[in-house]
Amino acid sequence: GAGVSQSPSNKVTEKGKDVELRCDPISGHTALYWYRQRLGQGLEFLIYFQGNSAPDKSGLPSDRFSAERTGESVSTLTIQRTQQEDSAVYLCASSLGDRTQPQHFGDGTRLSIL
Amino acid sequence: AQSVTQLGSHVSVSEGALVLLRCNYSSSVPPYLFWYVQYPNQGLQLLLKYTSAATLVKGINGFEAEFKKSETSFHLTKPSAHMSDAAEYFCAVSGGTSYGKLTFGQGTILTVHP
Repeated sequence: GAGVSQSPSNKVTEKGKDVELRCDPISGHTALYWYRQRLGQGLEFLIYFQGNSAPDKSGLPSDRFSAERTGESVSTLTIQRTQQEDSAVYLCASSLGDRTQPQHFGDGTRLSIL
Repeated sequence: AQSVTQLGSHVSVSEGALVLLRCNYSSSVPPYLFWYVQYPNQGLQLLLKYTSAATLVKGINGFEAEFKKSETSFHLTKPSAHMSDAAEYFCAVSGGTSYGKLTFGQGTILTVHP
C-alpha cells in the first residue's frame, strides 16, 4: 500500500507475556519512528531509525522494550514481560529523513494488557 | 531541549465559527513546527508544517497557522468550523539535537456543535 502499515491493529495479552508489533514504512522512506500514546496523553517518542546509522533509543522506557529494523524496511517493536502500564496505542511513522520532512503515521496498534 | 504546550485540552465551537487552537513551543534552536490531526482509531494526519519559509502557513481542509517567533507561538486557525473538523489536534516541534524526533503537545480535542 501507499501508507505506513502496522500490524496487528489490536492486541490483547496477559501480563507477563511478550508481544511483537510490526511496522511497514512507506517505500523509500529512510527514517522510521516509534511512538507510544497512552489514553488521554500526547505521544511519547520511543525510538528512531535512520538508514544504517545507530538508532536513537533514548525514548525506550525500560530494557523490556526493544526494536529492530532491517535495512530501510520493516521494523519490529518487542515488549517483553508486559505490564499493565504498557497498555497504549503504539504508532509508527516514516519520513524521508530530513527533519523538515513530515512524518507519515500508521493507524497504530492498540495494545491491551490484562 | 524542546517542549510544546497546547493551551486547552478541549475546545468547543459552533459550526461556522472561528477555530483557534493554541500552541506555544520552547526550543534552543530554530524550530520546525507541525500540526497533526487524529480522528478516532486512526493515526495522525499532517495538517501543515513550518520549516523557516513563510511565517503564515496554509494547510489542508482550510486550516492555517502563523509562526510568531517573538511569542514562541504557532496557533492553528480556521475561519469557519465544519462538523467534520471534530477530532484531536496535536502540535509538534522538531529540531535541535533530537534529529528527526518530534516532541508533541498533549493534544486538543475539538468539538463542533451544529
